[in-house]
Amino acid sequence: DSGVTQTPKHLITATGQRVTLRCSPRSGDLSVYWYQQSLDQGLQFLIQYYNGEERAKGNILERFSAQQFPDLHSELNLSSLELGDSALYFCASTTGMNYGYTFGSGTRLTVV
Amino acid sequence: GQQVMQIPQYQHVQEGEDFTTYCNSSTTLSNIQWYKQRPGGHPVFLIQLVKSGEVKKQKRLTFQFGEAKKNSSLHITATQTTDVGTYFCAGEGSGGSYIPTFGRGTSLIVHP
Repeated sequence: DSGVTQTPKHLITATGQRVTLRCSPRSGDLSVYWYQQSLDQGLQFLIQYYNGEERAKGNILERFSAQQFPDLHSELNLSSLELGDSALYFCASTTGMNYGYTFGSGTRLTVV
Repeated sequence: GQQVMQIPQYQHVQEGEDFTTYCNSSTTLSNIQWYKQRPGGHPVFLIQLVKSGEVKKQKRLTFQFGEAKKNSSLHITATQTTDVGTYFCAGEGSGGSYIPTFGRGTSLIVHP
């Protein structure tokens, strides 16, 4: 157990639907990072939140949105899902610059 | 934008042989991190290198950061079946964004 909790572990949904992925960072970590991992694109940074505020945006589609709540858990919302959105979605947190990122076990999203 | 290239994409070795993966950035990095992802698992932080020319060792693993802080390598001596997985480098740019760009990873397959 890395200390970063992600739910659900697996999600199967149809095209056009909307899903919410949830992440709780490691205790004491204020930042949450969302990454998408697919076979052809590798690990792609989506978005970062720090203490409730959006800090950085990467290759996140307009159909995707995220937020971080006062208790520091974060949710990634994916809407109007397409087959190409099928991927592993990881959440990560970090204590600071020199400590690396701790990843959760991921949510495997399959869009059918 | 910053690009981090990693080679090779795959490497098959016989147990006991050495293994090296290389990482090259299009821009100067403030630091580089290495992660290991076991099949079906999540990326796990191994180490961070910060200084130009830095070399760090973890048992059979040797990590190097280039003098120009644009390239890095991970060398495993006498591979074991437990080394199987994908090794990622992740470079943080020197512009202060603190968001690492991941390479595509090198998948290591160890044959007993």
